[in-house]
This record gives sequence, structure tokens and C-alpha cells, in this order.
Amino acid sequence: EIVMTQSPLSLAVRPGEPASISCRSSQSLLQGGGNTYLDWYVQKPGQSPQLVIYLAYNRASGVPDRFSASGSDTDFTLKISRVEAEDVGVYYCMSAAQVPRTFGQGTKVEIK
Amino acid sequence: QITLKESGPTLVKPTQTLTLTCTFSGFSLTTSGVGVNWVRQPPGKALEWLALIYWNDDRRFTPSLKNRLTITKDTSKNQVVLTMTNMDPVDTGTYYCTHIYSLSTDYSGMDVWGQGTTVTVSS
Repeated sequence: EIVMTQSPLSLAVRPGEPASISCRSSQSLLQGGGNTYLDWYVQKPGQSPQLVIYLAYNRASGVPDRFSASGSDTDFTLKISRVEAEDVGVYYCMSAAQVPRTFGQGTKVEIK
Repeated sequence: QITLKESGPTLVKPTQTLTLTCTFSGFSLTTSGVGVNWVRQPPGKALEWLALIYWNDDRRFTPSLKNRLTITKDTSKNQVVLTMTNMDPVDTGTYYCTHIYSLSTDYSGMDVWGQGTTVTVSS
């Protein structure tokens, strides 16, 4: 089973400031077809989780371009260039490289 | 527009079997590449992936729960059913179903989630 480790576990950011979340996997998420199977999800307060990024760096439909993601192999980063109030929530990275899919512990993003 | 909605009992007793239904619209589980996942979340804790069924009836389970889980689809009703046997209080949480597309190198992520259904396990 691939273990996903996120840091930090919580983050307080002033509006307009950048935020960055790190995710590390215990095994490479690069698969034979060339895709890296790393997703990012956010769970806003009182809501179901929603997809932010798939295949390591592809923004999901409707996700603002202030969100970007990078990384490869085992080290990944989600960045918010200018945090807005609507970005608060818990962000999870997830490995989809094999079964079982595994999530990180979650990073809580709050506004200062 | 894709939507999914979970339904099932809100309270089950320890040792009972839980049956959850995911009713969806906007896609078909007969379409190549399409799948439905189940993910759960204990109160105040992280997400946990449970199971997945694909259009071709390929089924995958998390190893720690594999002996307790069953997943089936009814394409005529646009439903996916998850059963979990021998329920325990630690299984308390919110259960979500999600849509996914994965075929060859095409992959969507879990791009649409249901609203979730809360299950409490208590005597």
C-alpha cells in the first residue's frame, strides 16, 4: 500500500498571500503509460470533497487558475498563488497509482 | 450533468450488514472507462477509499476490508450497491460515492462526488 504524507497539516494564510502544500508518496506514482497518478481534493466546510487537480498537475473543470500543482515520482506540491476566503478547507492528496487508492492525512487551510 | 446520491440506513447495530446504494445520473456504467468509487470518512478524520467498480464489472477493494465488502452494479437502474458486513462502531462515518473515468491513459480523477450519507454504528 502506498503511504501518502502531507505537510503541513495546517496552514493559516492571509488573503492574497500564497499557500503551498506538500505531499510525498512512499512509492513512485508514475505509471507505464507516462501518467503520474496523483490527485488533489479539497473538502470545504460542510461539503463533500471535490477534485482540484488530477494526474499531478491538471486542473479540474471550474478550478481557478490561482491553483497550480507540480511534482513527479514521489514529491508533489499544490500551490495557491493568492488565497481567497473561498479556498478554506481541508486539502487531500491521493494516490491513484494502484489499489488501494490512498489519501494523505489532509491539510487544513484557514484564513488569518 | 453528472450527479450521484447515496442512500441507506443512518443507524445500524454492531455485527449487522450495511447496504448503501449510489443512484446516479448523467452517465452510464455500460460506457467503457466509467467507474464508481466508494469513499468514507469517520467523524473528524481523513478520507478512506473503500471500493471501485468499473463498466466491465472489474471490482477492486481496499485490502483491509476486502473480506467484508461487496460491490455490485445495476445498469438498468443506474445504481451501485456497496455492502459491508459485520459492522462495528469504528465504521461510523460519512460514506460517499464518486464518478471516475479511467481508460488506457485517460483518467479523470474522482471528478464528481455525491453528497454523502452518514452512518452510525451503535447498539
